Amino acid sequence: DQQVKQNSPSLSVQEGRISILNCDYTNSMFDYFLWYKKYPAEGPTFLISISSIKDKNEDGRFTVFLNKSAKHLSLHIVPSQPGDSAVYFCAASGNQFYFGTGTSLTVIP
Amino acid sequence: DTEVTQTPKHLVMGMTNKKSLKCEQHMGHRAMYWYKQKAKKPPELMFVYSYEKLSINESVPSRFSPECPNSSLLNLHLHALQPEDSALYLCASSQVVRGDSRDEQYFGPGTRLTVT
Repeated sequence: DQQVKQNSPSLSVQEGRISILNCDYTNSMFDYFLWYKKYPAEGPTFLISISSIKDKNEDGRFTVFLNKSAKHLSLHIVPSQPGDSAVYFCAASGNQFYFGTGTSLTVIP
Repeated sequence: DTEVTQTPKHLVMGMTNKKSLKCEQHMGHRAMYWYKQKAKKPPELMFVYSYEKLSINESVPSRFSPECPNSSLLNLHLHALQPEDSALYLCASSQVVRGDSRDEQYFGPGTRLTVT
């Protein structure tokens, strides 16, 4: 049973535009959420996180939004750059770490 | 130093071989993790060590045997693997494992394992 889902396996965005990656979860006990970026043949790299007591966290070009009532979080990247092309995993923390299924982002120059 | 290192980067082994994967971190983290990742899938948790003690074993077959010799090192001993065990094996560490595991995990680059 996948407790964290990313329903879009892939996303293409023009350079300079906004990239929006979405993530849904089912367990209301999750209280901490994270986004990781992964290049091929490398381990995931931590990007940004948000506690369940917040609804927004911003770090440079990356902003994570959390909608607890909808059990939904999103990652906004603006402006998108070609170097952002990678697979993005959301993760949720309860008594364990649960990764989403991943979204492959391609930023077109 | 926010690096988690893993060796080897690539490993090819036969089904009768015994090999080990190694992971090291010098961030003072007291929790270390092994994950297995198949292509186009999210990482799957295998083991968690907290303060050098095994705290979580996600029903991993006994042909995978973890070991934590000290707070900086984590090994994964492999024996009699199957071809379906071929995957990217990721090590991660975090400051501490609390009841809600909220600390960010730092991942190593992984070991690409192929079982022939």
